Amino acid sequence: SQQGEEDPQALSIQEGENATMNCSYKTSINNLQWYRQNSGRGLVHLILIRSNEREKHSGRLRVTLDTSKKSSSLLITASRAADTASYFCATDANTGGFKTIFGAGTRLFVKA
Amino acid sequence: EPEVTQTPSHQVTQMGQEVILRCVPISNHLYFYWYRQILGQKVEFLVSFYNNEISEKSEIFDDQFSVERPDGSNFTLKIRSTKLEDSAMYFCAVRRALGTGELFFGEGSRLTVL
Repeated sequence: SQQGEEDPQALSIQEGENATMNCSYKTSINNLQWYRQNSGRGLVHLILIRSNEREKHSGRLRVTLDTSKKSSSLLITASRAADTASYFCATDANTGGFKTIFGAGTRLFVKA
Repeated sequence: EPEVTQTPSHQVTQMGQEVILRCVPISNHLYFYWYRQILGQKVEFLVSFYNNEISEKSEIFDDQFSVERPDGSNFTLKIRSTKLEDSAMYFCAVRRALGTGELFFGEGSRLTVL
């Protein structure tokens, strides 16, 4: 399986702190994506990083990718209570996008 | 306007009954996916669909499942004879391009099998 696996499974922090979530995967990839899911809702795409990129920023989000270690991290800076959600990494199988596989997710709880 | 709309939002059915879940994407998406999420668990890939045929499917997507896009707009997932373990949220997702394209998810259809 080339699923991404996140850690930690759950993370509880205070508002204003940074949250870091990690993802590992098993096979070579073209890109890695991060998604967010509010409880009971559909997933929302946050950011995509290509295999030839090492770091990418979008607002308070910072994603890194280490293809040698087959791992990625998502950093949310200055967290807010509204960031409370589950975060998933996703990778495409070698079929080129026809099979995007999600990891188990990290549940983030930000306390106000 | 959302990229994709799913109906029904919630369906309760008896074990053994057939269920059809529907997904209506806006017109410029080419790639279609169904995912399943059992409560509190991971998002599991079921099937992808492109150019009116299945591109990839997982081991979950057995003979009880089928997909079609009969009229060029609605994309449906049919479960022929539901089992208790089919109870889950089913998400439709769409994509404009492979490789670098993000997936747009619907809000899901919650299926409860009694």
